[in-house]
Amino acid sequence: GAVVSQHPSWVICKSGTSVKIECRSLDFQATTMFWYRQFPKQSLMLMATSNEGSKATYEQGVEKDKFLINHASLTLSTLTVTSAHPEDSSFYICSARDRRGLAGSRGTDTQYFGPGTRLTVL
Amino acid sequence: GQNIDQPTEMTATEGAIVQINCTYQTSGFNGLFWYQQHAGEAPTFLSYNVLDGLEEKGRFSSFLSRSKGYSYLLLKELQMKDSASYLCAVRDPNRDDKIIFGKGTRLHILP
Repeated sequence: GAVVSQHPSWVICKSGTSVKIECRSLDFQATTMFWYRQFPKQSLMLMATSNEGSKATYEQGVEKDKFLINHASLTLSTLTVTSAHPEDSSFYICSARDRRGLAGSRGTDTQYFGPGTRLTVL
Repeated sequence: GQNIDQPTEMTATEGAIVQINCTYQTSGFNGLFWYQQHAGEAPTFLSYNVLDGLEEKGRFSSFLSRSKGYSYLLLKELQMKDSASYLCAVRDPNRDDKIIFGKGTRLHILP
């Protein structure tokens, strides 16, 4: 399958600081990337959809000024958690849409996840 | 509304077969995914069904019936490493092709 990397894999920061998380598609171009958050023993929650060259679209209840998303190229999207607070501590996972192989009736329009970033805000 | 249902937990024995069911009710449909997620890790892609029928990939198979809004993931020759959560997810074209996840099924494998 396709490879999506995420950096850093874990980060600890002080309350009030900002943290940037990078998501890269390593062997394919992703016009669309997604950012999820997952709290312990809970389901994945979609935060926002990142489209290359345009503004991200945020899910209801997600503050766009707090979670800044930039999709500067077809292989890179970044999520910046601004003025982080302890309640922002979570597992942040990016995902990239792989639309290669769409020709034919059984195209594989799949979505692959990065390994995740565990954020702890003290 | 959007609704994806799957059992919360299941238990099976090493070497056996287990079937994890998923039913969905979404405003639109553009493919169903199964992912495996081990504790503390990100989900890994298992399968993608967009047409009715069975897709087999090694020990894992996934089935889809669009008319019934139903899918299952079949795991054969269970191994201890298969202990994980299995997430059913549907892509909805009426929601900008976003993938909507179920809450996941936690599978416990007993020796």
